[in-house]
Amino acid sequence: GQSLEQPSEVTAVEGAIVQINCTYQTSGFYGLSWYQQHDGGAPTFLSYNALDGLEETGRFSSFLSRSDSYGYLLLQELQMKDSASYFCAVPKRGAGTALIFGKGTTLSVSS
Amino acid sequence: DAGITQSPRHKVTETGTPVTLRCHQTENHRYMYWYRQDPGHGLRLIHYSYGVKDTDKGEVSDGYSVSRSKTEDFLLTLESATSSQTSVYFCAISESTGGTLEKLFFGSGTQLSVL
Repeated sequence: GQSLEQPSEVTAVEGAIVQINCTYQTSGFYGLSWYQQHDGGAPTFLSYNALDGLEETGRFSSFLSRSDSYGYLLLQELQMKDSASYFCAVPKRGAGTALIFGKGTTLSVSS
Repeated sequence: DAGITQSPRHKVTETGTPVTLRCHQTENHRYMYWYRQDPGHGLRLIHYSYGVKDTDKGEVSDGYSVSRSKTEDFLLTLESATSSQTSVYFCAISESTGGTLEKLFFGSGTQLSVL
């Protein structure tokens, strides 16, 4: 089957750098996505990696290693507003555009 | 923001009653999805649709049915609600461009409590 593993919780302080790891098991890999969800809100798209390497979008970067079935989300210059849950996701096998999500990592940023 | 409206936003119902949740989009996107979110489980796919009258099962489809008679509406029905279906339900949409990136846009969610 398909599965994704990510840590359940991460804590950090303002201004720090934090890395959220994601390992996945799937056949026919078509990319790894990241979503952010603030408490009580809807998930929103952050980034997508189809090829190996680092994708940078402002303070956030996402990395993928297809040979290791591994990716991570890197958040720099952490701010209080970055406190949220972060989910990695891969396309559901045989379901075209549907995504299968990991269980999520709750990031708590303190001052 | 993507034009996705979920209704109702909150609902309390009793075990054994039927419940229908509605997802309405104004983006004319082809693909629509229903997910449920529970503590410790993340987002789990219930059903999805790839066009009018074209639907398929997701990871946790037992006890749920869906219908899509128009592009803009995707209905999720719990035929006989159970307490295990207490959850937050999210609708999402996407528009495949034929490439590999499938960005999902989520609605605001429906909090369903089954007593």
